[in-house]
Amino acid sequence: KNEVEQSPQNLTAQEGEFITINCSYSVGISALHWLQQHPGGGIVSLFMLSSGKKKHGRLIATINIQEKHSSLHITASHPRDSAVYICAVRENTDKLIFGTGTRLQVFP
Amino acid sequence: DTEVTQTPKHLVMGMTNKKSLKCEQHMGHRAMYWYKQKAKKPPELMFVYSYEKLSINESVPSRFSPECPNSSLLNLHLHALQPEDSALYLCASSQDVLAWTEEETQYFGPGTRLLVL
Repeated sequence: KNEVEQSPQNLTAQEGEFITINCSYSVGISALHWLQQHPGGGIVSLFMLSSGKKKHGRLIATINIQEKHSSLHITASHPRDSAVYICAVRENTDKLIFGTGTRLQVFP
Repeated sequence: DTEVTQTPKHLVMGMTNKKSLKCEQHMGHRAMYWYKQKAKKPPELMFVYSYEKLSINESVPSRFSPECPNSSLLNLHLHALQPEDSALYLCASSQDVLAWTEEETQYFGPGTRLLVL
């Protein structure tokens, strides 16, 4: 079992839909990243969370430290949101552990 | 400027070749990272440099040799690679690998797609 699990692995949506991607982890962490990787490889760091909730535009990320769970929400999804979304946790030892990613496709 | 640049974008090399991947950032970051990513898999950390010194080597074979000539540059020297080393190689940087604050984040480059024949 991976230390960082994401669900779903693949997600398709119609433009405008509200999207949720989940991340669960089994190790003690000091922080959690949400990353976005577009075809071609480049990775963008969307959020870094250690508690609570953050919002950037149409993206919202939440984390529940007690439940070891984080969610990434996309409101009013758009085809340009199509990408792989990766959850990565910073273990208490400073090691960064990546989830397997969620492949999102948003159709017009 | 919040950009991490990597060159080349693509590289094809034979198993006897010697080549180098380059990474550059001008954000004043003191931590730089090399990751390897196989198709449809998450990135795997290879090396971490902190203040131009190698601080983490994740048991990477010696055919990969990192070098940090100064605080803005990070190289990955490749020699006698195997076909299974074909992957996307990602460079990242952050303010400080140890200063883990709310605003700390890693900035990733676009990657070098490597094919070993």
